[in-house]
Amino acid sequence: SAVISQKPSRDICQRGTSLTIQCQVDSQVTMMFWYRQQPGQSLTLIATANQGSEATYESGFVIDKFPISRPNLTFSTLTVSNLSPEDSSIYLCSDGQGAQGAFFGQGTRLTVV
Amino acid sequence: GENVEQHPSTLSVQEGDSAVIKCTYSDSASNYFPWYKQELGKRPQLIIDIRSNVGEKKDQRIAVTLNKTAKHFSLHITETQPEDSAVYFCAAKEAGGFKTIFGAGTRLFVKA
Repeated sequence: SAVISQKPSRDICQRGTSLTIQCQVDSQVTMMFWYRQQPGQSLTLIATANQGSEATYESGFVIDKFPISRPNLTFSTLTVSNLSPEDSSIYLCSDGQGAQGAFFGQGTRLTVV
Repeated sequence: GENVEQHPSTLSVQEGDSAVIKCTYSDSASNYFPWYKQELGKRPQLIIDIRSNVGEKKDQRIAVTLNKTAKHFSLHITETQPEDSAVYFCAAKEAGGFKTIFGAGTRLFVKA
């Protein structure tokens, strides 16, 4: 099983600013995934991060709001831009390609004030 | 795309009883069905999974069943213990093995 390290674990940010979340995997993976989990809710896929190409975004999520970088096969970042209180949530990265379960980072709890 | 529905949203059982959580999926091409347990404030953890060529799988007190024809799959927890209290998510992986789509979750309470 992969070990996925995510940071920061939590942050409190001002409206209009941005937060960048980092995700490090201990082995090379072709795809990494970014999820949002609003309080008491399920996990909603934001985008799939591919190394060497642009991320693929799900309906309702756009690159301008959630830019993603994937510079190599073990690392990805998600930026949440122009923050508003509605962005307060937990953000999780994961691996999990092919017919195997996903392993998640510990999550980033974002509070926008 | 794939859609996963999960029931019930909340389940309360007495310690020692069994708990069953049911899910349905929409994409008949989905071929991998993991289950995750998420304790309060922690990340989801994979607890068991089943592939589409298998009808049932057991691991100690937990088991999963899959009915491909009906596009149903279920999680069974026997002899429940207070430490089983958590939110459980079913999920389906789209054919091609890329995205994992999650159900809405079931909050399980096991009363001592």
